[in-house]
Amino acid sequence: AQSVTQPDIHITVSEGASLELRCNYSYGATPYLFWYVQSPGQGLQLLLKYFSGDTLVQGIKGFEAEFKRSQSSFNLRKPSVHWSDAAEYFCAPNNAGNMLTFGGGTRLMVKP
Amino acid sequence: DTGVSQDPRHKITKRGQNVTFRCDPISEHNRLYWYRQTLGQGPEFLTYFQNEAQLEKSRLLSDRFSAERPKGSFSTLEIQRTEQGDSAMYLCASSWDAEGNIQYFGAGTRLSVL
Repeated sequence: AQSVTQPDIHITVSEGASLELRCNYSYGATPYLFWYVQSPGQGLQLLLKYFSGDTLVQGIKGFEAEFKRSQSSFNLRKPSVHWSDAAEYFCAPNNAGNMLTFGGGTRLMVKP
Repeated sequence: DTGVSQDPRHKITKRGQNVTFRCDPISEHNRLYWYRQTLGQGPEFLTYFQNEAQLEKSRLLSDRFSAERPKGSFSTLEIQRTEQGDSAMYLCASSWDAEGNIQYFGAGTRLSVL
């Protein structure tokens, strides 16, 4: 069965510190991979995507993610977190353009 | 381009009533998706359309739920005889085949069933 796991439900970091959010997936073949961010009461905003090719992808707001086939992972990183990054982050694979399968999300809190 | 638009943003209804939500996708997008998100969870897929054809439905979509996209543009999601368990955020997304089907989401409709 296809699944995606975000092991960290909550993460708290200090403003200016680095961030890594973990995502592991289980699919028959390498899916397309996405990270979305959701602010309270809002819809989902696409941060970045991976289809193929270069395994380090850049996204908006200074985020990047690295695809590691051997680990079935697609972790999200940011070198220096800003208070406005506090939100919920979702990893979501899909099979060539069909439905997204969302992880449970990681809630990020930023300490001043 | 104004993005994906959903209406209403909030809906409060009494148990047993019918409700209908509308989604207007990004104009050139041929695919439209509905998801449901309950508090503290990630969104779950409900159904999707390619143009006016409904191609896939989740088992979450009970017979009280129906979705349409009559002219391949906007879509409606109707819930009949609402139950308290239907309380959730209903999210709509649209995508375009030629862009690898990257899904862009609307702000959602939050349903509260009393």
